[in-house]
Amino acid sequence: GENVEQHPSTLSVQEGDSAVIKCTYSDSASNYFPWYKQELGKGPQLIIDIRSNVGEKKDQRIAVTLNKTAKHFSLHITETQPEDSAVYFCAASNYNQGGKLIFGQGTELSVKP
Amino acid sequence: GAGVSQSPSNKVTEKGKDVELRCDPISGHTALYWYRQSLGQGLEFLIYFQGNSAPDKSGLPSDRFSAERTGGSVSTLTIQRTQQEDSAVYLCASSLSPSSRAQHFGDGTRLSIL
Repeated sequence: GENVEQHPSTLSVQEGDSAVIKCTYSDSASNYFPWYKQELGKGPQLIIDIRSNVGEKKDQRIAVTLNKTAKHFSLHITETQPEDSAVYFCAASNYNQGGKLIFGQGTELSVKP
Repeated sequence: GAGVSQSPSNKVTEKGKDVELRCDPISGHTALYWYRQSLGQGLEFLIYFQGNSAPDKSGLPSDRFSAERTGGSVSTLTIQRTQQEDSAVYLCASSLSPSSRAQHFGDGTRLSIL
């Protein structure tokens, strides 16, 4: 089955700097890769996603890149702000097989003012 | 607009008791997913519904766990004879359809087994 590895487990940056979180997946049949932000006591919130036929997607300060050959994808946050502090999860799924998400282990991002 | 609603938000029960967790998906969403989040195991898939059918139950950890969905809407996850290792946050997500991809999560039920 699918396995998703996420690094780093913790990341501390200064406000205004960029943050990058990386994930690798094992199943070449996976075709959908969302990123979630989770704040304490809340459920995961979808922040950006990418399909396997796209190499890059950007939404304001957030971007995701996908390398299908290498089976890895990354989240890039630019001009970080203290409110970006949270736990971020990557996930992979095959939406032709029901779409269950297989999650990475999470990255705790801390943005210092 | 209403998001995914889960109840109760917190549940404390004694080992051996049965518990029921409820999920109200976003109106019109035909696909519904249950996940479990624990410190040791991270976020793990439990079961998926398309309408009232469950094509994928592969994540249910044991036969003490069951789930149903009625009217293509509300879903209930039942855990019988609870054990301490069942302590976790149980999360529900819904999507317009499996092929629509984007899953939206509720805030979960935090289950504590004493």
